[in-house]
Parts: sequence; C-alpha cells; structure tokens
Amino acid sequence: SQKIEQNSEALNIQEGKTATLTCNYTNYSPAYLQWYRQDPGRGPVFLLLIRENEKEKRKERLKVTFDTTLKQSLFHITASQPADSATYLCALNFGGYQKVTFGIGTKLQVIP
Amino acid sequence: EAQVTQNPRYLITVTGKKLTVTCSQNMNHEYMSWYRQDPGLGLRQIYYSMNVEVTDKGDVPEGYKVSRKEKRNFPLILESPSPNQTSLYFCASSFGAPSSNSPLHFGNGTRLTVT
Repeated sequence: SQKIEQNSEALNIQEGKTATLTCNYTNYSPAYLQWYRQDPGRGPVFLLLIRENEKEKRKERLKVTFDTTLKQSLFHITASQPADSATYLCALNFGGYQKVTFGIGTKLQVIP
Repeated sequence: EAQVTQNPRYLITVTGKKLTVTCSQNMNHEYMSWYRQDPGLGLRQIYYSMNVEVTDKGDVPEGYKVSRKEKRNFPLILESPSPNQTSLYFCASSFGAPSSNSPLHFGNGTRLTVT
C-alpha cells in the first residue's frame, strides 16, 4: 500500500531563514501533490498543488518541488516569519482514485 | 463568505448514544468528504461523496454512516459511538473530484469525546 512520510519531528528555524519540509512517498507516483497548512484547532488550508509533470511551483514566498525519481517533494518557505509557524501537511492523489491521502504533517516553529 | 461549516465544534457523549455531526458548504461543490485526525496517524478518510445520493467508503468507514440528500449537506452519523471514535473530525469539500486536481476546503473541525 502507499505510504506518505513526513518528518514527524518539529522543525525549528530562525526568523528570516528558509524552511524546507520533506514529503516522501512509496510505490506509485501520484498524479499530483498538494501542500496544506494547519493551525492548532483549525482545519487544513490549501497552499499549493504540483502535478506529476511539473518540477517546481512558486507562490509568493512558497516553493514546491516534485522529484518523481526520488519519490519526494520539498516545500520551501523563504524569509520565514513567526506567523509561518504551523503544521504543514503533504497530500497525494493517485490518478483515477477519488481520494486524497494525507501525511501526518511536520510542525514548523519559526523563532523570532 | 465561502466556507464549510461543521456543527457542533465540541461534543461529549456516552457510549451507544447515537449522534450526528452536520456539515454544510455554500460553494456548490460536488465532492464532499469526512476525515478523522488522530495523533501520530494524521488525517484518515472515513467516507466521501461524489454528488447527491453518491457516497463511498474511505479508509476507516467502520462505525460511521453518511448521507447526501442535498448537494450542500453531508452529515456524519455515529449510530452507536464507542470510545475508539474519540477524535477530531473534519468535513471537506471540493469543486470537482480529487482526480480533477481540485483543492479541498475544510471546516474547522468537531472534537468528539466518547466516554
């Protein structure tokens, strides 16, 4: 069965630095991959989507890469701010299936 | 404002007492889904619906029921709740099915405790 692996340990970085979060998956390549942000006590909020034929996607300070050879996506936040502190979830859809499967998320703490 | 609304936000109940968690979206979305979120396990899909009167099981459907009589509403029913259903529940919707790349819009969650 498919597995999605995100670093379950919290990531602490200094304000202004670039945060890099990792999402690895096993077996089949997904049709697309999404990243969501979740704040405590709130529902996840969609950030970015990258398709299997795309290598990189950007939105303001966010950048996502997708390497189907490594079976990995990297999520970068440049010039990080304390307001970026949250849990970030990776989610995959495997083409033809009507479901989105989520990783357990990585908690990011940006220290002022 | 476009949103997914779940009620109640918090619910404490006893084993065996039937309950319903409501979910409503005002975006005319076709796809709706229920997830539960548990520490160390992440979000797991319970049921989903592609459209009115079309529902299907997710990864953890046991002990749950759903219905989709109207496009905007997708209630989650626990006929006989048990303590292992204590969890944080999220309803989500999207314009199209997941295979169409549509992002999910989530409600703010329902924290259920079954004693």
